[in-house]
Amino acid sequence: GAGVSQTPSNKVTEKGKYVELRCDPISGHTALYWYRQSLGQGPEFLIYFQGTGAADDSGLPNDRFFAVRPEGSVSTLKIQRTERGDSAVYLCASSAEEGANGELFFGEGSRLTVL
Amino acid sequence: AQKITQTQPGMFVQEKEAVTLDCTYDTSDPSYGLFWYKQPSSGEMIFLIYQGSYDQQNATEGRYSLNFQKARKSANLVISASQLGDSAMYFCAMRGTHFGNEKLTFGTGTRLTIIP
Repeated sequence: GAGVSQTPSNKVTEKGKYVELRCDPISGHTALYWYRQSLGQGPEFLIYFQGTGAADDSGLPNDRFFAVRPEGSVSTLKIQRTERGDSAVYLCASSAEEGANGELFFGEGSRLTVL
Repeated sequence: AQKITQTQPGMFVQEKEAVTLDCTYDTSDPSYGLFWYKQPSSGEMIFLIYQGSYDQQNATEGRYSLNFQKARKSANLVISASQLGDSAMYFCAMRGTHFGNEKLTFGTGTRLTIIP
């Protein structure tokens, strides 16, 4: 597709359940980012992939959160034993360029609600 | 580490007036990029403008310009002739080149409301 695609757009789950969120970046973009945005806040960095490897996972809040990008394209963010505090919009972005001037292109986000 | 500070949680501006949204930053990187994004109520993040730390001139994109003052570590966004469609959240962000700084770091945002 032309842009970054995220599925599902909305996910409602119960506390304690497992959730997967998918991101399909712009074709050819090597860098992929996951962010979390709570209501009224700025996006908070979670993890960054360069190709298949996680170049920086310092933003993952705890070991319940994990992300993979096995073939260097699609990425999946996995959340185990979800908690109500995990409710947020999860944004994915991709970038073609390394370095400081590479613009990030964002998807429309996956809204996660944990009941 | 890098940090972005936006001190204006909300602003109200009359339509057709110019508006300045403040942004200051901190980084140890000698080379970095500064970005502004717009997020309307629909939620998508829309790229507005980019300024490189070594760019000699301030960036401009249509009605948007970036007032870059490197010594003061500020990168304010100026919107000229504001329109009702400019009402949105605005985020300042930066990205460095050193390990750990390649991610885009965002500020807390400013909610801009244009009054007819």
